[in-house]
Amino acid sequence: DVKVTQSSRYLVKRTGEKVFLECVQDMDHENMFWYRQDPGLGLRLIYFSYDVKMKEKGDIPEGYSVSREKKERFSLILESASTNQTSMYLCASSLVMNTEAFFGQGTRLTVV
Amino acid sequence: QKEVEQDPGPLSVPEGAIVSLNCTYSNSAFQYFMWYRQYSRKGPELLMYTYSSGNKEDGRFTAQVDKSSKYISLFIRDSQPSDSATYLCAMIGGGFKTIFGAGTRLFVKA
Repeated sequence: DVKVTQSSRYLVKRTGEKVFLECVQDMDHENMFWYRQDPGLGLRLIYFSYDVKMKEKGDIPEGYSVSREKKERFSLILESASTNQTSMYLCASSLVMNTEAFFGQGTRLTVV
Repeated sequence: QKEVEQDPGPLSVPEGAIVSLNCTYSNSAFQYFMWYRQYSRKGPELLMYTYSSGNKEDGRFTAQVDKSSKYISLFIRDSQPSDSATYLCAMIGGGFKTIFGAGTRLFVKA
C-alpha cells in the first residue's frame, strides 16, 4: 500500500516561530510537492522537487522554503510563521509529473 | 479569472440520486483531467483520470471531458452516504503543474 506520511496532524505555533513540516514517501517517487489548502481557494502549490536537492517555486513560495536531502523526504519550512499562514498543508508525491499524485493526510497548522 | 472554476456547494442529495459535479476551465492546453475525492480530515485521493476528450466509466462513476466547451463532469450513480466528501477537479497542461479546482462538498443523506 503506497504511503505519504506527514509528521503531524495538528500544530499550533506562535507568530515569528520557525516551523518545520516533514513529509516521507515510501514509493521511490522522483517528484514531491507541498500544497496549502484554504476554503474557496483549493490547493495552491508552494514548492515542488523533482530530484534530491532540487527544488522549484510554485505559485505561492513567499515565506516558505523547502529541503530535500533524501529522495523519500521533503520538508517545508516556515521561516517566521505569520497568522496568514494558518492553513491545511498537504504533501504529495508522484512518479511522473503528469500522473496521479499521492497525498499525505495533511497538517492543520494554526499560527497564533 | 481563475484557470479552473468549480462550484464549492455544498450539494445535498438523497441516497440513490444521480450526482453531477462540474468544472470549467480557461486554458486550452490542458490535456489530462482528474477527479480527486477528499474525505474530512484526510488528504485527496485520485478517483478518475482521463486524457483528452471523451468519457470514462468506473463502477458508479463516470468522468466526462468536453474540450470544445472547456467543461468536465463527474457523474455518480446510485449515490451512497459513503460518497459524502469534497470532490476536486484537477488538470494538467503543457507544463508540469497540476491546477486544482476549489472543490465541491457533497452530502448524501440516508
